[in-house]
Amino acid sequence: GQNIDQPTEMTATEGAIVQINCTYQTSGFNGLFWYQQHAGEAPTFLSYNVLDGLEEKGRFSSFLSRSKGYSYLLLKELQMKDSASYLCAVRDSNYQLIWGAGTKLIIKP
Amino acid sequence: ETGVTQTPRHLVMGMTNKKSLKCEQHLGHNAMYWYKQSAKKPLELMFVYSLEERVENNSVPSRFSPECPNSSHLFLHLHTLQPEDSALYLCASSQEGQERSYEQYFGPGTRLTVT
Repeated sequence: GQNIDQPTEMTATEGAIVQINCTYQTSGFNGLFWYQQHAGEAPTFLSYNVLDGLEEKGRFSSFLSRSKGYSYLLLKELQMKDSASYLCAVRDSNYQLIWGAGTKLIIKP
Repeated sequence: ETGVTQTPRHLVMGMTNKKSLKCEQHLGHNAMYWYKQSAKKPLELMFVYSLEERVENNSVPSRFSPECPNSSHLFLHLHTLQPEDSALYLCASSQEGQERSYEQYFGPGTRLTVT
């Protein structure tokens, strides 16, 4: 079966750095997405990786290793507004998106 | 105007009612999706309309039926629902191409409670 694993919840301190991991087992691979979802709101797109390596976008970076079936989202200089759930999703060989359950990130002052 | 809109935002219905959820996208995309989001579970894809073809998840009960009259509008018709159908229903759209697929844009969702 297809599976996306990510931690259920993480806690970090304002101003610090946090890394949210995602591992996947899917039938084929056509890209990995990270989305942010604030409580009661819609998911919003953060990043897309299809090749190995690091993609940097401001305070957020996303890394992919296809051989390891592994990705992480790195958030730097954490702000209180970064408190949200972070969803990892992989597009399989049929171009279907397989979603993880999300990681709830709690930022403390 | 907001890219993807959904109405209503909140809905409470009894098990014998019939209701419809509406979604509209203003992004010129060619694919639209219905998702179910339950607490602490992955997003569950219910239906996809992509490049004018409907792709179904065969595990979705027949009490949910989608309708896509054109590329900008998507409906989810609900009838004789069960309490376990209570969830957040999200609509999304994306631009699908022959060689790659792009990120999905989500609406704010409809919070459905079945009593």
